[in-house]
Amino acid sequence: AQSVTQLGSHVSVSEGALVLLRCNYSSSVPPYLFWYVQYPNQGLQLLLKYTTGATLVKGINGFEAEFKKSETSFHLTKPSAHMSDAAEYFCAVTPTGGGNKLTFGTGTQLKVEL
Amino acid sequence: GAGVSQSPRYKVAKRGQDVALRCDPISGHVSLFWYQQALGQGPEFLTYFQNEAQLDKSGLPSDRFFAERPEGSVSTLKIQRTQQEDSAVYLCASSQGSINEQFFGPGTRLTVL
Repeated sequence: AQSVTQLGSHVSVSEGALVLLRCNYSSSVPPYLFWYVQYPNQGLQLLLKYTTGATLVKGINGFEAEFKKSETSFHLTKPSAHMSDAAEYFCAVTPTGGGNKLTFGTGTQLKVEL
Repeated sequence: GAGVSQSPRYKVAKRGQDVALRCDPISGHVSLFWYQQALGQGPEFLTYFQNEAQLDKSGLPSDRFFAERPEGSVSTLKIQRTQQEDSAVYLCASSQGSINEQFFGPGTRLTVL
């Protein structure tokens, strides 16, 4: 069975500072990996995904993530936080080949302070 | 174009009532998923359709939960004899195929009193 661990349920950064949200997965084989963002009272929006190929993946809004097989990690970063980045972020996995269901982590609430 | 829509956005039910939650996927999307998101948690998979066929219902928590997609487009999630533990946001997602990006609707927030 696959599982996802997001370290830190709440992360606070200053505007302009580096954003680092951590995600580790547990799977017998490397899965497909996703980061979603959820704004209040809205559905989830895909930020980026890793399936195959280059392990550094760039997404929308300046976010990127690097797949590290040896560390079973897929941490999300952004060089400079903006107030509009304040939201909840979810890491998710699905079996290689896609399959169907996404398995989500418990989420990290990002707060951006002036 | 239109995204995934869900109705109602908010539903309050008394314990024991039956509820029906509707999902309108993106037109032409073959796959449709339902997830349950409890307060402070990540979404958890409930069930999956490919066209009208329900291929996976392993996440449905009890036989009080039932989902259908009779014509391969709109889907309804029905919960019978609601309990307080059913209170959650129910998210619907659709995709062009099972391995493609899932697009999520805004969810239905169900509160059972």
